[in-house]
Order: sequence, then structure tokens, then C-alpha cells
Amino acid sequence: EVQLLESGGALAQTGGSLRLSCAASGFTFSTSAMSWVRQVPGKGLEWVSSLSGRTDATYYADSVEGRFTISRDNSKNMLYLQLNSLRAEDTAIYYCAKTVWYNGLDVWGQGTTVTVSS
Amino acid sequence: DIQMTQSPSSLSASVGDRVTITCRASQVISDYLAWYQQKPGEPPKLLISATSTVQSGVPSRFSGSGSGTHFTLTISTLQPEDVATYYCQKFNSGPFTFGPGTKVDIK
Repeated sequence: EVQLLESGGALAQTGGSLRLSCAASGFTFSTSAMSWVRQVPGKGLEWVSSLSGRTDATYYADSVEGRFTISRDNSKNMLYLQLNSLRAEDTAIYYCAKTVWYNGLDVWGQGTTVTVSS
Repeated sequence: DIQMTQSPSSLSASVGDRVTITCRASQVISDYLAWYQQKPGEPPKLLISATSTVQSGVPSRFSGSGSGTHFTLTISTLQPEDVATYYCQKFNSGPFTFGPGTKVDIK
């Protein structure tokens, strides 16, 4: 069964850092593109970042460029999102998703919640 | 950056009605558009990729069409389990922006 399980969400202080993790199983992780998407409860989806499967090229939303870093460890089937210089507006549920380039995000995790407060 | 818009922002329809949701891109994105369904408390689910490719397991009442800058998601006969928010997403190149969503409920 294809599965994604996020972890690492927590309460953090403004200006602080967090690292989110996403454990993947049931598919060939090393060649799969992956993405992070966030959602403020009751609001719409915001694409955050994507990592291509074969070239490891990275893409970021303007709102997180320079503060967030997406990465992967293929030996552990793990995807990460390093969140630095956190702001109140980063408060959201963060989903990781398996990505089929040019097609869409075909498998989603259940999400992990980040709350940023002073 | 290319902006994505959706209309309407919400709609209420009767069971059995035909429902159409529109997604527009501010620039041409070819057919690199996906549609998602999100029910309360759940992660989104990919319904349609590449404008019109219905994903395995998705009921045949869902269909997608369009190209360039104008796209539609159609539910041919609305069912109670279709109550959800629907999002489009561009996938031609980064950033992979989502539309603001269309909330569908039953009248």
C-alpha cells in the first residue's frame, strides 16, 4: 500500500526553526518527485515546494523561498522540509505528497500541524 | 507568476444535478491542469490529471475538459458524497499554484 506519514509539526516561536519529515512506503521513492503543500484550517491549499524525482531540482513558493528547504534521504525513504525564520503566517497543516510531474499530486499524507506564535 | 482563479467560489445544487466548476489561468498552461477533491478533515484527493485524465477509482460522473487558459470540472449527476471543496492546480512549470477552491454542497 502506498503511504505517506508526516511528523515533526509542533508549536514554534516566531523566528524559530522546525524540520518536518515524511516517511514514504509502497512505491519507488528514490525516483519519485515529491511536494509539500500547506493549508490553514478552513482556508485553501497553498503549494509550498517540490523536488523532482530524477534531477533533484527544487522549486519553492515565493512566500517561503530562502527560508524553507526541501530535501530527501533515499536510503531511508524520507522527505524533509526545513523551516527557518518562522512567521505567524506559516501556521498551517503541512502535507507531503507524491508528485507525478506535469500531472499532479497523486498520494497525500494526513498532514502535520505547525503553529508559530510569539 | 501565473494566477489561478475558480468560479463559482461556492455552489449549492440538488442531488442529480449537473455541476460545472471553472478554473482559469492568467497565462497559457497547455493541458497541465489537475483537479482535487477535499472533504472536511481529510487530505485532498487527486481526481483528474492533465486536464481530462480521470484517476483510477474516481467515479465516471467526474470529467474534465479545457486547454490553454480555460478549464472545467463537471460532475454529471451530483451525489451526496460529492459534498467537498474542489481545487484546480497548474502543473506546467513552477510555482505549482492552486486555485482558491469551489465549495460544493447539497441544496
